[in-house]
Amino acid sequence: KQEVTQIPAALSVPEGENLVLNCSFTDSAIYNLQWFRQDPGKGLTSLLLIQSSQREQTSGRLNASLDKSSGRSTLYIAASQPGDSATYLCAAPPPGTPLVFGKGTRLSVIA
Amino acid sequence: NAGVMQNPRHLVRRRGQEARLRCSPMKGHSHVYWYRQLPEEGLKFMVYLQKENIIDESGMPKERFSAEFPKEGPSILRIQQVVRGDSAAYFCASSPSQTVTIKGYTFGSGTRLTVV
Repeated sequence: KQEVTQIPAALSVPEGENLVLNCSFTDSAIYNLQWFRQDPGKGLTSLLLIQSSQREQTSGRLNASLDKSSGRSTLYIAASQPGDSATYLCAAPPPGTPLVFGKGTRLSVIA
Repeated sequence: NAGVMQNPRHLVRRRGQEARLRCSPMKGHSHVYWYRQLPEEGLKFMVYLQKENIIDESGMPKERFSAEFPKEGPSILRIQQVVRGDSAAYFCASSPSQTVTIKGYTFGSGTRLTVV
């Protein structure tokens, strides 16, 4: 059974800092790995999707990497802004199974 | 493309009443997933449906909860005789058939159920 762990649980940084969020999963036989953002009281917004054959994906200031063999993914956020404050979730489904989420990292970017 | 639509956005029910939550998947998506998010907790899978079929309900409580995805119309998550512990945000996601590995999942904005 897939288990997803996200570290740290919470993070507070000053505006402009670069930061890294970590995600680890126990079953490396995954189709893909998806990073989401959730704002308080809102739904989930997909940020990046990395296929199992890929090593990384980039979108603007966001870069996600995937190391299947070690069961890890990182989300790198460059030049953080107060608008990046949210909870970041990763999900890594093995074939034929629904998404399994970590508990998320709650990010606060202080102006 | 309107995305995944969930309604209502907020639902208040008294203990013992029934709650019906609706989810209309993205156009062209025939797979629907329901998740529950309890306060200060992560998202937990409940049920996975395709049109007229329940594929995986391993995360659904055995009693009071049911889900359907009829041939026509939205998917419905139904909670009978609600209790305070059912208060949570319920999210629906959809994915296109056969291409879920490429496109990933799209989530709705959720229904926030409050049982008073």
